[in-house]
Amino acid sequence: GENVEQHPSTLSVQEGDSAVIKCTYSDSASNYFPWYKQELGKGPQLIIDIRSNVGEKKDQRIAVTLNKTAKHFSLHITETQPEDSAVYFCAARDTGRRALTFGSGTRLQVQP
Amino acid sequence: AAGVIQSPRHLIKEKRETATLKCYPIPRHDTVYWYQQGPGQDPQFLISFYEKMQSDKGSIPDRFSAQQFSDYHSELNMSSLELGDSALYFCASSPRTGGSYTGELFFGEGSRLTVL
Repeated sequence: GENVEQHPSTLSVQEGDSAVIKCTYSDSASNYFPWYKQELGKGPQLIIDIRSNVGEKKDQRIAVTLNKTAKHFSLHITETQPEDSAVYFCAARDTGRRALTFGSGTRLQVQP
Repeated sequence: AAGVIQSPRHLIKEKRETATLKCYPIPRHDTVYWYQQGPGQDPQFLISFYEKMQSDKGSIPDRFSAQQFSDYHSELNMSSLELGDSALYFCASSPRTGGSYTGELFFGEGSRLTVL
């Protein structure tokens, strides 16, 4: 089955700086890569996703890049704000199933 | 916009008791997923249903069972509860757009189960 590794496990940045979180996946058949933000006591919230037919996608301060050859994808948050503080999960889904496999999560702390 | 509704939000049970969690997907979503998230852990996939049939099976214990009903809501039944079952249980749903599966999962706020 799919295995997703995520780094770093914790990340602390100053407000206004950029944050980058990286994930690798094992199944070359995976074709869908979403990112979720989870605040304490709440459910994961989809913030951006990318499919295997594109290499980059951007939505305001958030961008995701995908390198299919290397089997890794990254989340980039620019101009971070304190409200960006949360746990971020990457995930992957292969063509053979509907369920997502999640990475281990990154706790992002944005210092004001 | 309507979201995934889960109930109850909190549940406390004793060891060896049973528990039932309910999930109401977003309207017109036909796939439902159950995930278990332990403290400080990532969500672990348990089971999913598409059009009322089981579509994927993950790490769901034999003590657990689930089903999806004709109105697309789903229930997760947990029996012989153990201390290790204490966790957040999330339900998610996925839409079909234009007849194609899009892959996006939308999560509910979760049900927190505490087993004493």
